[in-house]
Amino acid sequence: SQKIEQNSEALNIQEGKTATLTCNYTNYSPAYLQWYRQDPGRGPVFLLLIRENEKEKRKERLKVTFDTTLKQSLFHITASQPADSATYLCALGATSGTYKYIFGTGTRLKVLA
Amino acid sequence: DVKVTQSSRYLVKRTGEKVFLECVQDMDHENMFWYRQDPGLGLRLIYFSYDVKMKEKGDIPEGYSVSREKKERFSLILESASTNQTSMYLCASSDPGTGGFGYTFGSGTRLTVV
Repeated sequence: SQKIEQNSEALNIQEGKTATLTCNYTNYSPAYLQWYRQDPGRGPVFLLLIRENEKEKRKERLKVTFDTTLKQSLFHITASQPADSATYLCALGATSGTYKYIFGTGTRLKVLA
Repeated sequence: DVKVTQSSRYLVKRTGEKVFLECVQDMDHENMFWYRQDPGLGLRLIYFSYDVKMKEKGDIPEGYSVSREKKERFSLILESASTNQTSMYLCASSDPGTGGFGYTFGSGTRLTVV
């Protein structure tokens, strides 16, 4: 069955460092991969989308890579700040008209001042 | 600012009650979704709709139904609430045109069934 794995353990890093979160998947060939941020008690907020034919996508301090051979995406936050503390979810979408996505369980990031 | 609005942030219902969760989006999106989110299980898709009056089952549709009579509104119905339906319910919408846009989520409804 399709499976998405994100590190369930929280990631603690020092302010100013680069945070790297991992999303691995099996039994799936997604056409799209997305990353979301979720704060406690709130709905997820869309951050970035990367397509299967793209290796890397950047937005301000965020960078996403997508390796379809390794079946892995890495999500980087450079110059991290305490305000970046949140849970980050990856989501995979197939090529379909409905663009239905399946979500990972998320990794909690805590940036220490 | 575009929005997905869920009618309630918190709800407490009794076992056996019929429960309606309402979701409205103002982006003219064709696709709408209902997920539930539980610790350790992530977001699981209950139902989705890609057009008015159209619906498809997601991964966990048992015990739920949906209604989409207007493009902007997608309702989730718990036919007879049970304690195992206590969860955070999230509504989302998306534009299917390019696949390049993420979901826009509502703030969620935390439902407790007692």
